[in-house]
Amino acid sequence: IAGITQAPTSQILAAGRRMTLRCTQDMRHNAMYWYRQDLGLGLRLIHYSNTAGTTGKGEVPDGYSVSRANTDDFPLTLASAVPSQTSVYFCASSDSSINGPPAFFGQGTRLTVV
Amino acid sequence: SQKIEQNSEALNIQEGKTATLTCNYTNYSPAYLQWYRQDPGRGPVFLLLIRENEKEKRKERLKVTFDTTLKQSLFHITASQPADSATYLCALDLSGGYNKLIFGAGTRLAVHP
Repeated sequence: IAGITQAPTSQILAAGRRMTLRCTQDMRHNAMYWYRQDLGLGLRLIHYSNTAGTTGKGEVPDGYSVSRANTDDFPLTLASAVPSQTSVYFCASSDSSINGPPAFFGQGTRLTVV
Repeated sequence: SQKIEQNSEALNIQEGKTATLTCNYTNYSPAYLQWYRQDPGRGPVFLLLIRENEKEKRKERLKVTFDTTLKQSLFHITASQPADSATYLCALDLSGGYNKLIFGAGTRLAVHP
């Protein structure tokens, strides 16, 4: 089934450790996104990529980095995790060649930083 | 400040009734407004998109309205079913279709038999 795959599904991470959340899509969408979702708050955009080779900062980029070496993969890296990065992380993609495209989301990665 | 407001309290309705969810926003001029459904432990699923020059959009039992003067969207589910129970998220696209979305916190809908 076509879609977005995120890994891992959940992780407990010691503060100060480095962690990469993986995201792969097989829909050949040019645009990809990382959001975090915290209780009582809406999803907030961390980083995005409009096309392979380009990335941009969203609303809450501090402490995170991304890369987009190819169309399918968009990993999110926490260089040195802190407890405030405890959250559920969602990767999404969309076909921005369509005027006003929907976003397709992965199942999420639940990250706990202790 | 810029913000999106959805009713934080759960909406409880009886099966067969129409559910109406509200999304209000301030200080934005979105090109598009989208509605998503999210089930516990899952990612959001796209339902409907409405453009700034559209007043209403329908899809099966779903209807969305968009009033750019009031800065409000209403999301209706007619003939609601227990399977419609979920959290519904409103999202604004401020990037002209590049899907850099601003989300509301969502409203939880519970449809009782």
